[in-house]
Amino acid sequence: QSVLTQPPSVSEAPRQRVTISCSGSSSNIGNNAVNWYQQLPGKAPKLLIYYDDLLPSGVSDRFSGSKSGTSASLAISGLQSEDEADYYCAAWDDRLNGVVFGGGTKLTVL
Amino acid sequence: QVQLVESGGGVVQPGGSLRLSCAASGFTFSSYGMHWVRQAPGKGLEWVAFIRYDGSNKYYADSVKGRFTISRDNSKNTLYLQMNSLRAEDTAVYYCAKGPTAATTPFDYWGQGTLVTVSS
Repeated sequence: QSVLTQPPSVSEAPRQRVTISCSGSSSNIGNNAVNWYQQLPGKAPKLLIYYDDLLPSGVSDRFSGSKSGTSASLAISGLQSEDEADYYCAAWDDRLNGVVFGGGTKLTVL
Repeated sequence: QVQLVESGGGVVQPGGSLRLSCAASGFTFSSYGMHWVRQAPGKGLEWVAFIRYDGSNKYYADSVKGRFTISRDNSKNTLYLQMNSLRAEDTAVYYCAKGPTAATTPFDYWGQGTLVTVSS
């Protein structure tokens, strides 16, 4: 059971928009930055969104992040087949004194 | 460019020990916090441990506390994870990941991972 809660899977058609939610608590998302990671099949994870809504250099602006209270969301617009991957949210947890991850969301582009 | 290369994985019996290494290059290693993150086969990501840039503070997941030790040698640009009293549930790909300078997250670069299998 992960500390942060994500839907196990989402699916959407190409060129559409999808959102992935990440729910936490006051000790993690409510008080610390949320970061999102993309893991393509068979590859190491890659930073996708940091500090709630910032894009690292080289990441497509089709990806965006937001946060409100103890929940965060990742949005992907203009879906492409290459976006099929597992997506994880993560944040520092002040109570656990460590990083907590969501269970991951598998995105399928129909 | 930033490179993180893990090594030291392999097959070990339950109760055994293993030391993982992560060789860093392409950045000033001594200025950044570093993490270990693992992923059991077919499962999600699990944070394991963090060490500050100068080794002054270390944090561990409850699942490994007392069994694993994170350390670093800034003169060798290398991060380590000493794993003792290994259990079957420690079987995973272990990634080292670079943190920021002052904070603990995000992990902005990851290595390719090294597989640890705990089995008799």
